[in-house]
Amino acid sequence: KAGVTQTPRYLIKTRGQQVTLSCSPISGHRSVSWYQQTPGQGLQFLFEYFSETQRNKGNFPGRFSGRQFSNSRSEMNVSTLELGDSALYLCASSLEQANTIYFGEGSWLTVV
Amino acid sequence: SQQGEEDPQALSIQEGENATMNCSYKTSINNLQWYRQNSGRGLVHLILIRSNEREKHSGRLRVTLDTSKKSSSLLITASRAADTASYFCATARGLFYNFNKFYFGSGTKLNVKP
Repeated sequence: KAGVTQTPRYLIKTRGQQVTLSCSPISGHRSVSWYQQTPGQGLQFLFEYFSETQRNKGNFPGRFSGRQFSNSRSEMNVSTLELGDSALYLCASSLEQANTIYFGEGSWLTVV
Repeated sequence: SQQGEEDPQALSIQEGENATMNCSYKTSINNLQWYRQNSGRGLVHLILIRSNEREKHSGRLRVTLDTSKKSSSLLITASRAADTASYFCATARGLFYNFNKFYFGSGTKLNVKP
């Protein structure tokens, strides 16, 4: 079974631009969550989607948004990029009401 | 903000030795999990221990949980160079399903020298 797939793996953007990251969950997994990892703040929860609905949200500004499609694939968007948004963005998927989440390899975002 | 703290922040051992990492957390939890992350890669799930369990084993891994002290430890026995990675504990707060909102510790960077 294929794992969680994230694209792109690496990208560089300039301040003020926006970025969209994509995540394809493990087949059969309908819950998709997103995390941001930085050296200073560590791993932080962004949001979680299930059946195209956001069910939980972390403490991030409104510039961070996401969505989920009917095939469970998910995207997250960051608008008006700031230098501090440089991070590894990790997507994870799981079965409904499962305790274990499975991570993709992440998307490295560098904002210059 | 991070829920837990791992201790030590870094650990360097020789191949074949045991490695012990500790995790402390702040609030009541439903379960605690350990993940491994190789440099710049995604996290790999290692083991889950529920709040009503005290010890769990998986291969060379042994996890303990002390809810009275709000702490957990991960023991890797007979370490290998391939175990070199960062190890994180993750907790789910409260007693009910939390929609995959996990709180991660700051991680222990393990270096196993061949």
